[in-house]
Amino acid sequence: LAKTTQPISMDSYEGQEVNITCSHNNIATNDYITWYQQFPSQGPRFIIQGYKTKVTNEVASLFIPADRKSSTLSLPRVSLSDTAVYYCLVDRPNQAGTALIFGKGTTLSVSS
Amino acid sequence: DAGVTQSPTHLIKTRGQQVTLRCSPKSGHDTVSWYQQALGQGPQFIFQYYEEEERQRGNFPDRFSGHQFPNYSSELNVNALLLGDSALYLCASSLEVGTAPNYGYTFGSGTRLTVV
Repeated sequence: LAKTTQPISMDSYEGQEVNITCSHNNIATNDYITWYQQFPSQGPRFIIQGYKTKVTNEVASLFIPADRKSSTLSLPRVSLSDTAVYYCLVDRPNQAGTALIFGKGTTLSVSS
Repeated sequence: DAGVTQSPTHLIKTRGQQVTLRCSPKSGHDTVSWYQQALGQGPQFIFQYYEEEERQRGNFPDRFSGHQFPNYSSELNVNALLLGDSALYLCASSLEVGTAPNYGYTFGSGTRLTVV
């Protein structure tokens, strides 16, 4: 699976929109982009997954350009409780036995 | 619907000892993966079990072994503990094959292992 690169850390204030960009230059045709959120002393939590264009759910939006070499996780109007580590992964959900490989993630700090 | 349950939540062991960590997957899931997360790092893949067989393994020594039971629950065993084995151990469950774009792993809250 393709490796991903994302910023180590980001800072924001409550009420702002936060965009975290991830690059995955070697993404394969069968691969999806998946984002997880992790709070201290908890396991990661699935946020959103997409293949191309735009995906939106109640938590976030995921933007994927046509070449799929990068993606952007968008968190609208963040609050203090959005302070967490966010991981961008390339995943192959339709293929049995594919393990999730995590990088270091992006630590998002939200201040009041 | 219960999520992933791990036990114990915390554990302190002495160097050289052996430890067993336990995981009950989310109802309906058949695949269990184990991860080690050191402080400040992302989770590192240890191995994955499906149908009671180890299907894939990360870059971990043979001191790390596991087992999956017929009810899909799993154990992680670590022998000859080293100080460097101190970490949060996470169990994740999933379906063998998912349906994107809403396919994800469900993680437990982990077992915090401290080796002294």
